[in-house]
Amino acid sequence: DADVTQTPRNRITKTGKRIMLECSQTKGHDRMYWYRQDPGLGLRLIYYSFDVKDINKGEISDGYSVSRQAQAKFSLSLESAIPNQTALYFCATSDHDRDEQYFGPGTRLTVT
Amino acid sequence: EDQVTQSPEALRLQEGESSSLNCSYTVSGLRGLFWYRQDPGKGPEFLFTLYSAGEEKEKERLKATLTKKESFLHITAPKPEDSATYLCAVLGGGATNKLIFGTGTLLAVQP
Repeated sequence: DADVTQTPRNRITKTGKRIMLECSQTKGHDRMYWYRQDPGLGLRLIYYSFDVKDINKGEISDGYSVSRQAQAKFSLSLESAIPNQTALYFCATSDHDRDEQYFGPGTRLTVT
Repeated sequence: EDQVTQSPEALRLQEGESSSLNCSYTVSGLRGLFWYRQDPGKGPEFLFTLYSAGEEKEKERLKATLTKKESFLHITAPKPEDSATYLCAVLGGGATNKLIFGTGTLLAVQP
């Protein structure tokens, strides 16, 4: 079984709709991250959380919100989706005493 | 501002033809440099972490090296299954654990 899972894997939604992407991990890591990946721009950090009570904005947080429901669960919400939020979204985890991050399989989101 | 630049953007090799990918970086207080492999439609897969200039790491046909300004990912006698996008990322100083990614090198190895 995958250590980091994301649901849904693909989603098409309309402009203005609210959508939630979910991430779960079984690695026992305390730190979790949300990134988006766009062609030519690379991976960019949206939000990150070092533990259940800790939430921090990344470089491109506008239009997004997150919730850390448990150590193993971190969800990303788009309150009112817009077409330029069409992208690949990745969740990642890391342990507090290791620097490398481990990524989930991604969610391909299309906003029409 | 922390920045990572990877070159070339794309590289096509024949099976067995060794080459290197470059990752140049500017960061205040390097805490680590990371290499990932990404296959189409999948998440990045962690390969290596390098912490200080002169350090080298190896895994099968891949070897990563680090200087004070850049890192190289050397691919020796590549096989078609090595075809992927290779991403470089740096972790700078400060309290955040924010990785700064390059845009990657798309490697295609032809049989």
